[in-house]
Amino acid sequence: DQQVKQNSPSLSVQEGRISILNCDYTNSMFDYFLWYKKYPAEGPTFLISISSIKDKNEDGRFTVFLNKSAKHLSLHIVPSQPGDSAVYFCAANSDQTGANNLFFGTGTRLTVIP
Amino acid sequence: EPEVTQTPSHQVTQMGQEVILRCVPISNHLYFYWYRQILGQKVEFLVSFYNNEISEKSEIFDDQFSVERPDGSNFTLKIRSTKLEDSAMYFCASREAGTRYEQYFGPGTRLTVT
Repeated sequence: DQQVKQNSPSLSVQEGRISILNCDYTNSMFDYFLWYKKYPAEGPTFLISISSIKDKNEDGRFTVFLNKSAKHLSLHIVPSQPGDSAVYFCAANSDQTGANNLFFGTGTRLTVIP
Repeated sequence: EPEVTQTPSHQVTQMGQEVILRCVPISNHLYFYWYRQILGQKVEFLVSFYNNEISEKSEIFDDQFSVERPDGSNFTLKIRSTKLEDSAMYFCASREAGTRYEQYFGPGTRLTVT
């Protein structure tokens, strides 16, 4: 069951440019979305989240956009830095479908080229 | 900064053996989770734990798995009779009450079943 999908397994971006990572979901009950970043040999690190009552949330260089009608969200990183190179996971949850667990996508490996 | 810790970082075991993976959640957190990631696949929810009992579990979490909070700090995952397909990274996560879904992950334990 792929309720959360990240269709791009990898993305390469030049340093200083914008990185856009995409995520789609199928479960219309999801109402809270998160992005996690993962370096090798480390656990996922929480990055930014958005509630379905919003369509945008910004935190420094990171902005998440949510399009509920399209069941799509994206993470924008501007400007991209070499230290941003990692695997990025989109995750979702809902009070309706289980208040505790997160549903993860398969991840997108971002490489920022100096 | 408080963090979730996990031991061991790597566990090698033979098929049919019991393993116990250990986690120390962040001290003021009340919700605890185990997830796993098979190589190349997405992070999958196993079980959540709150108020000294399982609050939710996935179909992966069958009778071979159990969790325990033996004292005020540790949270363990036991696999009674390991199978080859149990080989994966196992992540522990925790979150505080009132913070919706922002789970904080440990660095993971790599379990290799031979």
